[in-house]
This record gives sequence, C-alpha cells and structure tokens, in this order.
Amino acid sequence: QKEVEQDPGPLSVPEGAIVSLNCTYSNSAFQYFMWYRQYSRKGPELLMYTYSSGNKEDGRFTAQVDKSSKYISLFIRDSQPSDSATYLCAMSSLQGAQKLVFGQGTRLTINP
Amino acid sequence: NAGVMQNPRHLVRRRGQEARLRCSPMKGHSHVYWYRQLPEEGLKFMVYLQKENIIDESGMPKERFSAEFPKEGPSILRIQQVVRGDSAAYFCASSPDRGLEAFFGQGTRLTVV
Repeated sequence: QKEVEQDPGPLSVPEGAIVSLNCTYSNSAFQYFMWYRQYSRKGPELLMYTYSSGNKEDGRFTAQVDKSSKYISLFIRDSQPSDSATYLCAMSSLQGAQKLVFGQGTRLTINP
Repeated sequence: NAGVMQNPRHLVRRRGQEARLRCSPMKGHSHVYWYRQLPEEGLKFMVYLQKENIIDESGMPKERFSAEFPKEGPSILRIQQVVRGDSAAYFCASSPDRGLEAFFGQGTRLTVV
C-alpha cells in the first residue's frame, strides 16, 4: 500500500464548476500537508500548505485536512481553463520541506 | 530574483554512460532537495543537502547514484552507468531554511537509449 493515495483521473469539468481533489494517506506521523500544481513539462508550484487539521483558504482555493480520517482535500471555486494542470498532494512528518511524500497527481482539465 | 535553475533541461545518454544533472538554488537558499518523477508517477524524494553536507539520502538508490552540494557552485546529481530504468524527470528544489516552502526547478528530463 502506498503511503499517499491520489486518484490520477483524468478529471474534466466545465468552466466555473467547483473542483474537489482528494488524497488519503496511511502514515499518522504526517503533520504538514501541501498542494502543488504542475503544468505540463514544468516544475511543481506550491499552491497551499496546512499544518495538522483544519481549513485554509486562499482566493479561489481551499485546503482541508482531516487527520482523524487521514484525508485531505483541495477545492477550487469558479474554476478557469488556466487551472488545467496536474495537482499533486504532498505531506511530511518533519518540519520543513525535506522528504515530502507525494501522491501520484490528478490531471485536471477545465473546459471553456 | 531568478528561480531554481536546472540544466540541462533535456539529456540523452546511452546505456552505460554517466549523467550529470546540475541545480543552482535560488539566491540565498542553502537547502537543496532532489526528487525523481517516473512516467505516470508522483515525485519521489531522493536526497536532501546543505552546503557541503548530505543531510538525508534515504531515497537514493544504493548504487550508481551520488549527489553533492559544494561550497561554491551548483548541486550535482550524478548517475553512473545509466540504465533504461533511470529515464525520468529529475527535479531539484531549494529553500532558505528548513521551512515549508521549497521552490522547484523546471526539471531535467533524462532519456537513456
């Protein structure tokens, strides 16, 4: 069993829809949770990070962490075609960015 | 402020050759991380370095792979005697300290033929 599970998709939604992306994990030691966006042939770009459980909002993006269920989510409101990318969840049990454990990534397409 | 610079962007090597991948961290960043991304898979941690020190190499294959981050110059990931299974995208990231925000480079795509 992988430490972090993420549905690879692909996921295709119409412009303006609310997108929900999810990851589950098995390591209860994970404390830091991140979401990265990766455009084709580019490096990952950090979108959001959260510590422990709870919600965090940044513009159209909301990250949720439920440690009791070992489940994290990223919501994108008012989705735009420019949001089309692969979204990677990542998590760490150590303070800092080292040794992140990534999900497989979900390929998202927003259709105009 | 330039981002994390990796070169070359694309590298083709024949089986048995050596591959050298370079990473220049962002200005002021002294922590460097290397990750490998195989086709249709997420990124896998390889190694974490600070200047002149390897802090965590638990993700590095035991043989043929090595990494360094000298006092001067870029970080180098070296793969000796490459095999087809080494074909992947190799990403470098840097951070100013042990903070959460690591900035990734564009990656080096290694193809072994």
